[in-house]
Amino acid sequence: NAGVMQNPRHLVRRRGQEARLRCSPMKGHSHVYWYRQLPEEGLKFMVYLQKENIIDESGMPKERFSAEFPKEGPSILRIQQVVRGDSAAYFCASSPSIRNEQFFGPGTRLTVL
Amino acid sequence: GIQVEQSPPDLILQEGANSTLRCNFSDSVNNLQWFHQNPWGQLINLFYIPSGTKQNGRLSATTVATERYSLLYISSSQTTDSGVYFCAGMVTASGSRLTFGEGTQLTVNP
Repeated sequence: NAGVMQNPRHLVRRRGQEARLRCSPMKGHSHVYWYRQLPEEGLKFMVYLQKENIIDESGMPKERFSAEFPKEGPSILRIQQVVRGDSAAYFCASSPSIRNEQFFGPGTRLTVL
Repeated sequence: GIQVEQSPPDLILQEGANSTLRCNFSDSVNNLQWFHQNPWGQLINLFYIPSGTKQNGRLSATTVATERYSLLYISSSQTTDSGVYFCAGMVTASGSRLTFGEGTQLTVNP
């Protein structure tokens, strides 16, 4: 059973560009979570999604950030008009049900030049 | 949301030594997980332990939910144990989000 897949593993963007981060949950998991880890810090919750629904986006910045988990395909975290402060590692996690153990992907390391 | 405090923030050991890492929570949790972030940045699931004790090889964990703390024991440490250890908890009032502590940076010297 493959683990949580994230791509790309590394992403470099210039200020003002868009970043798209993809996450494929473990097989059989329909709950997806995105977390952000700023340099030298712990992980912070961003958003929780189920298929076609955003359940909790209370950790998402109000502007420029959006997330989706369509009926088909991976979950996408989209950052528009990136700024240097967006440079971080973005982790996706999945679980088989609500409030269950979460399994993490390898992360996408975003660098904004 | 809950507050998660980890101690110690840094720990340096000689290979073969034992250690105990602690995680305190400000509220009762219904989900508690321990992770190891290796030097390459990958997060490895160690334990899912809302309560009780579990063991996996040289690692074991104990959570005392009523007293709002969890302990991670590492025995006979190896250099490959180096990295950052995170605990994370979830409370019903916060939905399904995990709240992470700031981590314990472990360095095991040969």
